[in-house]
Amino acid sequence: ETGVTQTPRHLVMGMTNKKSLKCEQHLGHNAMYWYKQSAKKPLELMFVYNFKEQTENNSVPSRFSPECPNSSHLFLHLHTLQPEDSALYLCASSLASWGTIQETQYFGPGTRLLVL
Amino acid sequence: DAKTTQPTSMDCAEGRAANLPCNHSTISGNEYVYWYRQIHSQGPQYIIHGLKNNETNEMASLIITEDRKSSTLILPHATLRDTAVYYCIVRAETSGSRLTFGEGTQLTVNP
Repeated sequence: ETGVTQTPRHLVMGMTNKKSLKCEQHLGHNAMYWYKQSAKKPLELMFVYNFKEQTENNSVPSRFSPECPNSSHLFLHLHTLQPEDSALYLCASSLASWGTIQETQYFGPGTRLLVL
Repeated sequence: DAKTTQPTSMDCAEGRAANLPCNHSTISGNEYVYWYRQIHSQGPQYIIHGLKNNETNEMASLIITEDRKSSTLILPHATLRDTAVYYCIVRAETSGSRLTFGEGTQLTVNP
């Protein structure tokens, strides 16, 4: 248990559906991240938020829309996804994200997404 | 960030020490060495990190060579629950938030 929770843990959706992934951290951190992990591939950073402001978008398609209402919550809104978007989506948090080199990221358990 | 090279897989007997090597020959002076692990279908878990000196915590020890071109993660008494993919990551100050995960080493602890 790292103090980062994600819901749902598993999600199956059609290409025309709209769904949202939720992440919550109970660590008092101020930076939150979304990562994507496809089968047999390394983790890919998608988005970074610092104090609710998006500071990094790693060329993610617009069908993925993040939202960070406060430093403890992070959402990933999904719409018109493709089957190749099926992956494990991981949320992480850390104390800071402005080159504070010793800050460590703590990951949630992930949401396993299947797009049919 | 410096590129790291790790063996694809390793085996270890339960109760024995697991020594996982990592080469980072192009590491620069302000880059830290981080280790994470990922148990199958779970989120990565932070293990340890260091700059120059050897480090130890409740999970593992990190040995960094004097020239900092390689390091070894040591799990002193491996258990079956230590079976996971272990990632060695080198981070520069300028990389800010970015953790660049490579392929890692699949460690299998056998009974």
